[in-house]
Amino acid sequence: KAGVTQTPRYLIKTRGQQVTLSCSPISGHRSVSWYQQTPGQGLQFLFEYFSETQRNKGNFPGRFSGRQFSNSRSEMNVSTLELGDSALYLCASSLVAGTYNEQFFGPGTRLTVL
Amino acid sequence: QQQVKQSPQSLIVQKGGISIINCAYENTAFDYFPWYQQFPGKGPALLIAIRPDVSEKKEGRFTISFNKSAKQFSLHIMDSQPGDSATYFCAASNDGGTSYGKLTFGQGTILTVHP
Repeated sequence: KAGVTQTPRYLIKTRGQQVTLSCSPISGHRSVSWYQQTPGQGLQFLFEYFSETQRNKGNFPGRFSGRQFSNSRSEMNVSTLELGDSALYLCASSLVAGTYNEQFFGPGTRLTVL
Repeated sequence: QQQVKQSPQSLIVQKGGISIINCAYENTAFDYFPWYQQFPGKGPALLIAIRPDVSEKKEGRFTISFNKSAKQFSLHIMDSQPGDSATYFCAASNDGGTSYGKLTFGQGTILTVHP
């Protein structure tokens, strides 16, 4: 079974631009969560989607948004990029929403904002 | 209220030794405590997880000890191997309300196992 895939793996953008990251969950998984990983703040929860609905959202500004499609694939968008948005963005999928369901992480998208 | 504090930040162990990483949490609503292992260039991978109705769980060389009254849990890696060298994260979540999918992570521990 293929794992969680994320595209692109690397991105370089400049301040003020916007970016869209994509995540394909494991086949059959309906819940997709997004995390931001930085050396200073560690792993922080961005949001979670289940059946095309955002079920939970972390403490990030409105510049961070996401969506989920009917095939469970998910995208996240960051508008008006800031230097501090440079991070590894991780997507995780699980079979259903809620805990006790193992979250499988993808390799991440490394975003660099210049 | 949502924090998970992890220590130490880094750990050096000799091959065959025991690696111990500790975490403490504040939110008593947490009821699921997984440990993740992350290698450079990879996403975190689940190692082992525990729920608060048990005090210990063992899978191979990895053991979680859980102390509900102290709000602490720890990962023990027995017979540590150089291949265990990675960053380890504890995490916590609670099942219910609007907390679906949200894992709260500790800051991570960089483990180095010397041959």
